[in-house]
Amino acid sequence: EVQLLESGGGLVQPGGSLRLSCAASGFTLSNYVINWVRQAPGKGLEWVSSLRDDATTTWYANSVKGRFTISYDNSQNTLYLQMNSLRAEDTALYYCARDYDWNFDVWGQGILVTVSS
Amino acid sequence: QTVVTQEPTFSVSPGGTVTLTCGLKSGSVSANHHPSWFQQTPGQAPRTLIYSTNIRSSGVPARFSGSILGNQAALTIAGAQADDESDYYCVFFMGSGVWMFGGGTKLTVL
Repeated sequence: EVQLLESGGGLVQPGGSLRLSCAASGFTLSNYVINWVRQAPGKGLEWVSSLRDDATTTWYANSVKGRFTISYDNSQNTLYLQMNSLRAEDTALYYCARDYDWNFDVWGQGILVTVSS
Repeated sequence: QTVVTQEPTFSVSPGGTVTLTCGLKSGSVSANHHPSWFQQTPGQAPRTLIYSTNIRSSGVPARFSGSILGNQAALTIAGAQADDESDYYCVFFMGSGVWMFGGGTKLTVL
């Protein structure tokens, strides 16, 4: 079965760091564009970042550029989102989602990140 | 600054037809924006309904359809059912790998 499973969330202080993981099963992550999308509590969806299937081309929303880094570990079939200099406004449920031919066709269940002192 | 605009709320009667729209604060929506539509119920991950303007995702009933109406993307739900009561989000591809979501529409079926 094709699945994505996020992990690594939790409570972190403002200015701190956290690394989210998105493990794929049933397919090879590096063959697809994979996105991170987040949703603040009670708010709408916000696209955060993408990693292209060449494993090197990355894109970021302005709100996270310079603070977040997206990357692959092919040996683990896992996508990461390294989040540094975290702010209260980064508090959200973070989803990873596969992009197949412009279709966000597979979503993880989401992982909660809370930035608070 | 909200670049992608959606109606915050909408209501439809059971069995009725509703069209939700998604526009750009500046400019017109085109197929090059690859509009997608998602349905989200509380506590669940989004579910893709429509991508690339009008292609239904696997398993999505035919009563959900997508189009471009004038200068906006549109999601039409025909024969609305109680379990269509959800939040609906659109997203546009803005170029250079960037996607932008609309603020979402809360659809009530009553």
